[in-house]
Amino acid sequence: ETGVTQSPTHLIKTRGQQVTLRCSSQSGHNTVSWYQQALGQGPQFIFQYYREEENGRGNFPPRFSGLQFPNYSSELNVNALELDDSALYLCASSLISVGQETQYFGPGTRLLVL
Amino acid sequence: AQSVTQLGSHVSVSEGALVLLRCNYSSSVPPYLFWYVQYPNQGLQLLLKYTSAATLVKGINGFEAEFKKSETSFHLTKPSAHMSDAAEYFCAVSKPNNNNDMRFGAGTRLTVKP
Repeated sequence: ETGVTQSPTHLIKTRGQQVTLRCSSQSGHNTVSWYQQALGQGPQFIFQYYREEENGRGNFPPRFSGLQFPNYSSELNVNALELDDSALYLCASSLISVGQETQYFGPGTRLLVL
Repeated sequence: AQSVTQLGSHVSVSEGALVLLRCNYSSSVPPYLFWYVQYPNQGLQLLLKYTSAATLVKGINGFEAEFKKSETSFHLTKPSAHMSDAAEYFCAVSKPNNNNDMRFGAGTRLTVKP
């Protein structure tokens, strides 16, 4: 158990819809990263939030957006869903501090876009 | 840019045999390197990490990995495989003291035969 939780566990949407995924970070962590893991592939970095500000972004279009709240919980929003957005979405929390670079992952939300 | 390559998408060993999962990295700066394990329908669990201290790193569940700069490798080993080791293993790289934009390999699926 990493202390990182995600909701919902599974979700089915249709193309063009919008979705919000949620993550609750491990206690004391001030950073959250989101990853997309397509079937049979490794996780790909979407973006990271540190103290409620975006702190880096991977190669994902603007329709992928996020929020981090003062209690360090986080949301991933995806607009105009496409079939290729079907994947496992993972969040990972960490503490930005020297020697504290380890990311702790939640169980993920599996999104299916039809 | 940083990247990792995992050689072999599938590895099969007998119970009690040596486990060797290969990872090579590319990085323009001294890297931090990680091995994560993912069991079916779960998130990623950290096995071990290299953060520029000892080159031989010991992790959980009897796994260890050795950082070899000359070979740009960070292979994962375990002397004796157990049935419970069957899972997907991911190698990942990040910049020192900065887990922003961690890059993962495509993964290696380990099968353990009785």
